[in-house]
Amino acid sequence: QSVLTQPPSVSAAPGQKVTISCSGSSSNIGNNYVSWYQQLPGTAPKLLFYANNERPSGIPDRFSGSKSGTSATLGITGLQTGDEADYYCGTWDNSLNIGLFGGGTKLTVL
Amino acid sequence: EVQLVESGGGLVKPGGSLRLSCAASGFTFNAYAMNWVRQAPGKGLEWVSSITNSGSDKYYADSVKGRFSISRDNAKNSLYLQMNSLRVEDTAVYYCAREVQTTEEFDYWGQGTLVTVSS
Repeated sequence: QSVLTQPPSVSAAPGQKVTISCSGSSSNIGNNYVSWYQQLPGTAPKLLFYANNERPSGIPDRFSGSKSGTSATLGITGLQTGDEADYYCGTWDNSLNIGLFGGGTKLTVL
Repeated sequence: EVQLVESGGGLVKPGGSLRLSCAASGFTFNAYAMNWVRQAPGKGLEWVSSITNSGSDKYYADSVKGRFSISRDNAKNSLYLQMNSLRVEDTAVYYCAREVQTTEEFDYWGQGTLVTVSS
């Protein structure tokens, strides 16, 4: 059971939009930056968002990130089959002094 | 080009030890905190350990505290993870990841090295 809670799976048709939530607490998301990672099958994770809503170069603007209070959200519009992957949120926990990842969300593009 | 290359994984018996290495290149190694993150087969990411850029501060997940030790050699641009008293549940792909300390994200990851703990 992860400290950061994500839905295990989401799905939508090509061209549609999905959102993936990440819920935490005041000791982690509430007082730290959130990052998001995309892991394509058989590959290492890749940074998708940092500092809650900052997109590294090369990440298309179909992807969006936001944070409010103790929750964060990843949004993907104009879904493509190549977006099928596992998505993880990540942050630091100040009270436990540990890094945290959400349990991961598997995106299926139907 | 930033590169992180892990090595040292393999098959080890429960109770055994293993030392993982991560060779870094393409950036100023001593300017970045570094982390180990693992992923058990078919499971999600689990943060394992972190070390500050100078090596002065180290942090561990409860699941490995007292058994694993993180270290770095800034002269050799290398990160290490000494793993002792290994358990079956430590079986995973171990990734090293560079951390941007100001905003705490892991911006570069290695390809991972597989550690299998089995009798």
